[in-house]
Amino acid sequence: AQKVTQAQTEISVVEKEDVTLDCVYETRDTTYYLFWYKQPPSGELVFLIRRNSFDEQNEISGRYSWNFQKSTSSFNFTITASQVVDSAVYFCALSEDGPESGAGSYQLTFGKGTKLSVIP
Amino acid sequence: EADIYQTPRYLVIGTGKKITLECSQTMGHDKMYWYQQDPGMELHLIHYSYGVNSTEKGDLSSESTVSRIRTEHFPLTLESARPSHTSQYLCASSEWGGFNTEAFFGQGTRLTVV
Repeated sequence: AQKVTQAQTEISVVEKEDVTLDCVYETRDTTYYLFWYKQPPSGELVFLIRRNSFDEQNEISGRYSWNFQKSTSSFNFTITASQVVDSAVYFCALSEDGPESGAGSYQLTFGKGTKLSVIP
Repeated sequence: EADIYQTPRYLVIGTGKKITLECSQTMGHDKMYWYQQDPGMELHLIHYSYGVNSTEKGDLSSESTVSRIRTEHFPLTLESARPSHTSQYLCASSEWGGFNTEAFFGQGTRLTVV
């Protein structure tokens, strides 16, 4: 069965500090996708990034960067120069092909989320 | 920007009442989902649908039921609300593209049963 672990329940940083959110996953499949979502106080989950299991190239988007390492089954998310607007709950998620994904194929399995508070 | 809407945003209701949480999307997505989010933030899949007339139960057992009569509409019903149903309910949809497609989420309905 697939599993996603976000060991950090809550993190507080001072504005302009860098922060890394950890995500470790378990899967038996060789083909899978990893996602990060942001849940601001308004409630909806906002898609941030998708990465497939064959693409270990790190990605940078503005102040956001993602480090995917298959050797350690990790997909960590770094926010550089954090801002108050980054305060939210961040979810890492895994999707794999086939019946092993649990409730049917193609379902997202979410981690428990990391609540990030950026203090001005 | 995602076009998926949930109503109501907040609902406080008495025990034993029947309630329906509405979810609509205008993106023409075949797949739709309901997640229950507990106070500890964890998301649990309770229902999903592959398309019209398709409904499946998710990983977390739920006393709620769903229907999918139209592609754009995926309501969730509780026949008799109980305090244990108090939670945040999130609706989502995705394209029929397999496991590489991201889901788009509504803003959620925060349900309180008193």
